[in-house]
Amino acid sequence: QAVVTQEPSLTVSPGGTVTLTCGSSTGAVTSGHYPYWFQQKPGQAPRTLIFDTNNKPSWTPARFSGSLLGGKAALTLSGAQPEDEADYYCLVACNGPCVFGGGTKLTVL
Amino acid sequence: EGQMVESGGGLVKPGESLRLSCAASGFTFSTYTMNWVRQAPGKGLQWVSSINSRSSSIYYADSVKGRFTISRDNSKNSLYLQMNSLRDEDTAVYYCATWGKVANYWGQGTLVTVSS
Repeated sequence: QAVVTQEPSLTVSPGGTVTLTCGSSTGAVTSGHYPYWFQQKPGQAPRTLIFDTNNKPSWTPARFSGSLLGGKAALTLSGAQPEDEADYYCLVACNGPCVFGGGTKLTVL
Repeated sequence: EGQMVESGGGLVKPGESLRLSCAASGFTFSTYTMNWVRQAPGKGLQWVSSINSRSSSIYYADSVKGRFTISRDNSKNSLYLQMNSLRDEDTAVYYCATWGKVANYWGQGTLVTVSS
């Protein structure tokens, strides 16, 4: 099974921009891996933020966007808000078994 | 709006069994692949198992293979996880979830604690 890697922690200033990445030990992440991003705030259940690389459920704010960047899946937050402080997890290619990344703790400070 | 509610968690001793349930509503449960995901205290998300809409494709994480069994009853809009031979390291909040182009829903989780 693949090992999926994310930055353990990142900090962004309010109103700033930050990019989280998600890589796979098996090689480049492509659109064919249908990357997902999930957000989990303290004490809450996770929720889907991005699916299939760059698509958003209705509840995802426009300031979040997904893409592919340098062989990795990427989540970009433009105009960070205090309420965006959370853990972010990626999921790449559920080819049978699924593997989550270790998560990125995003601090807005 | 779709919703999923887990139940069945609790405190058990190592080696004991537990059955988790997940009741879905507000979406066409029978058409979606369903997953169990767990989160140990202070840790990240770990995928546990998945089952497709017709129960014809089932997968498990290596850490639970042979001990856990996933199943579903589409007539009852319900997902289950039978957990046998529980270990200390199975202690976690267990979530049922579905993700995809159309349906993206997570339950609030149920806590399973394995301790002597």
